[in-house]
Amino acid sequence: GQQLNQSPQSMFIQEGEDVSMNCTSSSIFNTWLWYKQDPGEGPVLLIALYKAGELTSNGRLTAQFGITRKDSFLNISASIPSDVGIYFCAGFERSNDYKLSFGAGTTVTVRA
Amino acid sequence: SAVISQKPSRDICQRGTSLTIQCQVDSQVTMMFWYRQQPGQSLTLIATANQGSEATYESGFVIDKFPISRPNLTFSTLTVSNMSPEDSSIYLCSASGNTEAFFGQGTRLTVV
Repeated sequence: GQQLNQSPQSMFIQEGEDVSMNCTSSSIFNTWLWYKQDPGEGPVLLIALYKAGELTSNGRLTAQFGITRKDSFLNISASIPSDVGIYFCAGFERSNDYKLSFGAGTTVTVRA
Repeated sequence: SAVISQKPSRDICQRGTSLTIQCQVDSQVTMMFWYRQQPGQSLTLIATANQGSEATYESGFVIDKFPISRPNLTFSTLTVSNMSPEDSSIYLCSASGNTEAFFGQGTRLTVV
């Protein structure tokens, strides 16, 4: 599958700040997924989005499925030290046998 | 959701040897995949593990190097054959339906 365009590549943030990252694709996706990966672990699913325009929250995390179905963003509010990690967006394309396409990841480092 | 157990979690292997990684899912799933993740990089799909038949490999990956088995809906193995230092990476098992995908904790392989 294609690689999604994820930005920013990395960010240093102050504890308590809000964080935003986004992904875009050149083709339409049926589902957008956001994962967090801690060192030495596999990616853990944070939020799944299934419909264009859908806005979904999971605690301090909020993600939206873009209206065009070619983009998504993830917001983290009031960041804390345990938010450190790598965040990946991923998407399912029906035309690609439901194989996941991934973004390159956003590395988040929180300054205490 | 699906819980995926992957083992070993890490190994250090001699070049020229082979390592088999096991992946067990706690429920029957439609699809299982194997990924490779180089340090600091995103996930790259190696192959789709098909139940009872040969795996479907992505471009750049071949069966002789990465033989895969999937004897039933909940279990799969990936073998990294005739290893070289370039095979040092994290290998991840994934299970999915058509709307969500879950990952094992990964196998960190170092070839010396």
